[in-house]
Amino acid sequence: AQTVTQSQPEMSVQEAETVTLSCTYDTSESDYYLFWYKQPPSRQMILVIRQEAYKQQNATENRFSVNFQKAAKSFSLKISDSQLGDAAMYFCAYKGGNQFYFGTGTSLTVIP
Amino acid sequence: DADVTQTPRNRITKTGKRIMLECSQTKGHDRMYWYRQDPGLGLRLIYYSFDVKDINKGEISDGYSVSRQAQAKFSLSLESAIPNQTALYFCATSDFNRDRAGYGYTFGSGTRLTVV
Repeated sequence: AQTVTQSQPEMSVQEAETVTLSCTYDTSESDYYLFWYKQPPSRQMILVIRQEAYKQQNATENRFSVNFQKAAKSFSLKISDSQLGDAAMYFCAYKGGNQFYFGTGTSLTVIP
Repeated sequence: DADVTQTPRNRITKTGKRIMLECSQTKGHDRMYWYRQDPGLGLRLIYYSFDVKDINKGEISDGYSVSRQAQAKFSLSLESAIPNQTALYFCATSDFNRDRAGYGYTFGSGTRLTVV
């Protein structure tokens, strides 16, 4: 079974600074997709960024970017110029076939 | 209106009671899912349905049942609620084309259930 590991239960960052959230996964498949979801206090699950495993280029969405290392099965999220609104729980997720597998989440605090 | 609507938003119930959580969607998706979120455990799949006549158990289906009343409606029931079913429950939707293309699900805003 696929597993997704987020080894940082909590992280904090100073406003305007950069923070990196870690994620590793285990799979024997070659074709899959990776995601980062943000869950603010409103509870809504918001897609932050998506990476296709067959693409070597790292995905970027404005201040959010990933470092995708396929051989190492690592998928970290970098948030640049952190803002107060970035404070949330962040989930890494793997999708292979028809199902998602989620990590345990990293709670990000942004310090003013 | 939200694409995926979950009701109720919050619910407190007593041990042993039967409770139903409802999910409806306007996305036109054929695939629907129920997840449970617990602190430190992430989201875990309870049941999923790929169409009205298709129901499948997920990772943690014990103590739960589901009903797919229509393409747009997927309900989760706890026949006899127990305290360790206290959690945040999410409904999500997708379809064949989105899954094949590797896109994410559309999530509802969750139901926080407390069993006392």
